[in-house]
Amino acid sequence: KAGVTQTPRYLIKTRGQQVTLSCSPISGHRSVSWYQQTPGQGLQFLFEYFSETQRNKGNFPGRFSGRQFSNSRSEMNVSTLELGDSALYLCASSLDANTEAFFGQGTRLTVV
Amino acid sequence: GNSVTQMEGPVTLSEEAFLTINCTYTATGYPSLFWYVQYPGEGLQLLLKATKADDKGSNKGFEATYRKETTSFHLEKGSVQVSDSAVYFCALQQIQGAQKLVFGQGTRLTINP
Repeated sequence: KAGVTQTPRYLIKTRGQQVTLSCSPISGHRSVSWYQQTPGQGLQFLFEYFSETQRNKGNFPGRFSGRQFSNSRSEMNVSTLELGDSALYLCASSLDANTEAFFGQGTRLTVV
Repeated sequence: GNSVTQMEGPVTLSEEAFLTINCTYTATGYPSLFWYVQYPGEGLQLLLKATKADDKGSNKGFEATYRKETTSFHLEKGSVQVSDSAVYFCALQQIQGAQKLVFGQGTRLTINP
């Protein structure tokens, strides 16, 4: 069965631009969560969606947003990009909250 | 708030050595505990987990025991291989009904032949 797919794998954007990252969960998984990984802050939770509803949110500014579609695919958007947004963004899917989370390979975003 | 503290890396060992990576946590109640591994250029893979006190998670020769009295979940392996070289993350899941993991800072492990 196919794993979690994140697109694109690599992205270079300019400060002030916006970006949209995509995550296709494992078939049948209804929970999708997003994490930001940086050398300085490590892995930090961004938000989680379940059945198209945001169920939990981390401590990030409003420039970070997301959504989930009826087929459970999810997107996250970052507006007005800053240099500090450069990171590996990881998506994870699971059947539900208390089941194993499977991670994608991530999207590496570089802001210049 | 909830937090996870791992021993600082990097850790360098010779093949067949014994491995311990320490992990302690701060949380209220009874979180679930996890170890994830990240190979270069990859996402995270679940290595093992434990959901209640005294549970032992194990996989691929790795083990960790959920110790509530010491709030610890140390990762051990009796004989490491070069292929075990990776970054290891300890994590907890606190909120029931929500998929939210709190990670430690990660420990980079290098195994030399």
